This record gives sequence, structure tokens and C-alpha cells, in this order.
Amino acid sequence: GESVGLHLPTLSVQEGDNSIINCAYSNSASDYFIWYKQESGKGPQFIIDIRSNMDKRQGQRVTVLLNKTVKHLSLQIAATQPGDSAVYFCAENRKGRYNTDKLIFGTGTRLQVFP
Amino acid sequence: GAVVSQHPSRVICKSGTSVKIECRSLDFQATTMFWYRQFPKQSLMLMATSNEGSKATYEQGVEKDKFLINHASLTLSTLTVTSAHPEDSSFYICSARDRFWEGSYEQYFGPGTRLTVT
Repeated sequence: GESVGLHLPTLSVQEGDNSIINCAYSNSASDYFIWYKQESGKGPQFIIDIRSNMDKRQGQRVTVLLNKTVKHLSLQIAATQPGDSAVYFCAENRKGRYNTDKLIFGTGTRLQVFP
Repeated sequence: GAVVSQHPSRVICKSGTSVKIECRSLDFQATTMFWYRQFPKQSLMLMATSNEGSKATYEQGVEKDKFLINHASLTLSTLTVTSAHPEDSSFYICSARDRFWEGSYEQYFGPGTRLTVT
């Protein structure tokens, strides 16, 4: 199968600090990107998305930055909390066969928050 | 809103048997559902796109005769793992796209099904 992104790293941050999780994608034709949070044994949970015609989007405590020039996506979490500990995946929307949309997931980053 | 359920949440089966996993959209209708597989400490890998009323579209390398997908209604897709083997043990996750938001790419994910083949 296909995937995007870096080999699974672990990011350890202290509670209250800001976290930055990075993702590289390969398909310059991708037009939509999403960040998901996955806790152990659960399905992915939507965090924030961004379309390719934007370079920044903000949500509650989260910001996604898109740099199409270098095909890079980042997720910034402000004031990281213990409940933010999880694996974070970026995903890009690609056109599949018959022009259907499909999500291709990155390898993920484990975020560990310590007190 | 936009809840997707899966049943069962966990299943253990013997090698050689078949097991069916259900994916339901509870409060919306979905013409398109997706099936993913996730091995421990790895990412989600798309297996197939399930289309209501038509055949599923399988990703390269996924055996369509082994992973049977049926999307018979706008709220239900099933994945049947036939003649399961220990290497099929994995976390299977489905997602669904709301048919009334065809312009949106967003998918709603189920909680996953842990399959263990002994």
C-alpha cells in the first residue's frame, strides 16, 4: 500500500509546552490534508484539516501549516496536555481509480507528554 | 453526529475459518465507505473503497477473493476475511463519507476491530 511521511518518531514534551509534529508528503497533486489523533486501540479522531489553496489554518489549540513548495505539513499543539498523548497521523487526499478520493496516511508520530 | 460503529470490536478465530466485520454509519448515509488495516505500531493502510450498490475497489496488493466487501445499503458495509491465517491478525478500521457532503473529503472513522487468528 501507499503511505506518506517520515519513519515513526516519538516526540516527548513537557506539559504546558508547545508541540510541533511534522509530516512530508510526496504527491504534489494532493489537494486536501488532515491530521488525525489515534489513541491506543481506537480509531483515528479528526483534529484539523487544510485545503491546498491555504497555507495555515487554526483551530482550538491547534494550527496546521502547509508548505507546498517543499511538500511539508506540520501540526502545532499549544500548551500540550497529558490528554494529548497519542499517535498523530497526517493524511493526504489523492485521486484513485475512477477518480475517486482516497486518504493516504503517513507513518505517524507518537507524542508523549510528561509532567 | 457523524458516528460510525463497528462490530465486533474484538474477534478471535481459528486459522482457516472466515470472519465478518460490520461497519455502520449511525446517523448519516454513506455511498462510500473505506476499509483500512493497521498492524501494531504502523500506519493505516487503505485496503479497499466500498461503494454502495457496486463492487468494491481494491488497492494494489489486496486480494479481493480473500477480503470480501459488501456494501448493500447506505448505512452498512461488511468485510469478510475468508480462510483467515495468523498473518491476517490486525486492527481493521472502517470509515464513511457522508453522501450529502460529496464536496467534502472528510471521512468519519469507526472504533476498529481487533482480529486475532490462532
